[in-house]
Parts: sequence; C-alpha cells; structure tokens
Amino acid sequence: DTEVTQTPKHLVMGMTNKKSLKCEQHMGHRAMYWYKQKAKKPPELMFVYSYEKLSINESVPSRFSPECPNSSLLNLHLHALQPEDSALYLCASQVSSADTQYFGPGTRLTVL
Amino acid sequence: GESVGLHLPTLSVQEGDNSIINCAYSNSASDYFIWYKQESGKGPQFIIDIRSNMDKRQGQRVTVLLNKTVKHLSLQIAATQPGDSAVYFCAENEGGGADGLTFGKGTHLIIQP
Repeated sequence: DTEVTQTPKHLVMGMTNKKSLKCEQHMGHRAMYWYKQKAKKPPELMFVYSYEKLSINESVPSRFSPECPNSSLLNLHLHALQPEDSALYLCASQVSSADTQYFGPGTRLTVL
Repeated sequence: GESVGLHLPTLSVQEGDNSIINCAYSNSASDYFIWYKQESGKGPQFIIDIRSNMDKRQGQRVTVLLNKTVKHLSLQIAATQPGDSAVYFCAENEGGGADGLTFGKGTHLIIQP
C-alpha cells in the first residue's frame, strides 16, 4: 500500500479565513512533505518534516503554518492567505533517505 | 542557480509508437532521480527511479536512462497507449536524504489515435 490521503479535495476560502489542510499516511514513513503546485508548473517544495520535526522551511510566508502531530499525520494551517496562494497543495511521504516520495492527490485551494 | 529542466514542453506521438521524454540536470551532486506521471487533477504518480551508480533501469513498458557525463536523463515508454497521456516530470534528490525533490518543468505527452 503506497497511499497518501489528503483532505479536503477542494477548498475555497476568503482572505480573512483560517483553514487547515490534512495529510495522512500509514506506511510507516518518517519523512513528510508539503509542496505547492501552480497551474502548468512543477511542484515546489515548501516544508519537510523528518521524524516529526521540521527540518526544512523553504522561506515560506508565515501565513502557512505546518504541524506534524504524529508520524502519520501532517497538517498545513492557513491564515490570511492571498489570491496568489491559490494552487494545488500536495503532500508526500518517504520511508527513508534516497527512497522515492509518494504523493497524495492534493488539495485544490482557491483564495477569494 | 542549479536546476532540473526538460528539453520539450509538449510531445505528440501516435498510439503504439515509442515515446522518449528527456531531462537535463545541472547538479552533478545529485544521486537519485525519479520520473513521475501527473494526470489532470491528480497528484504525481511514481513511475520509475534510478540511482547515480546505474545507467539504465527497466520497468513495465518504461525504461530510464542516465548519462552522468552529459547530465541527461530520459524516460522511454514502449507501445504508447491513450492512458499514457499526462504531464511527465523528472525530479532529483540532490542530497540523497529527506531533503525534498527538485522537479523539472514537465513534458505534456499527447497520444494521437
């Protein structure tokens, strides 16, 4: 089983709203990732969690706040987003170093 | 800065023909490469990977070739089918650890009947 699940599939929010994206995997992977993908562009790395600790933050604005409550869950808290933050947000997980990353289906976010 | 890129943004092939998608990378320190397939509205799907100590790896209908001398990666799809229509991304893991992937720009593969 190489399944990464993400909820919700679609999210529409205003610039003053607070919302959260959720990601879950039960493969025992200890590295989890958030990527942002704009239309017709490749995914871009946002955050990396390794053993539930934030190891990489690619200079992401503070209106995006990641959280890793346990080894199976990864959240992305959103607050005061801008319309240009509209994108597909992808979660991925990886079992160990130099192994492949498995992606979830993504959450399509629209900021009005 | 160093980046992973692709030669062609769009590739159109006849159903049943073989497809070759190319990727150039510039970071000589990269030691792990992956090809992903992304269909419209879906997340990237793993196709095949290769480590830098190899120059060829085969899967079901797919082959990845790595030429470290010229920093070139290619994905060959045999007997292309309509279901192969998608955007294909190469990606590299520069450090070999849990550092995240750097993606190329992507190639849109179009299958003509």
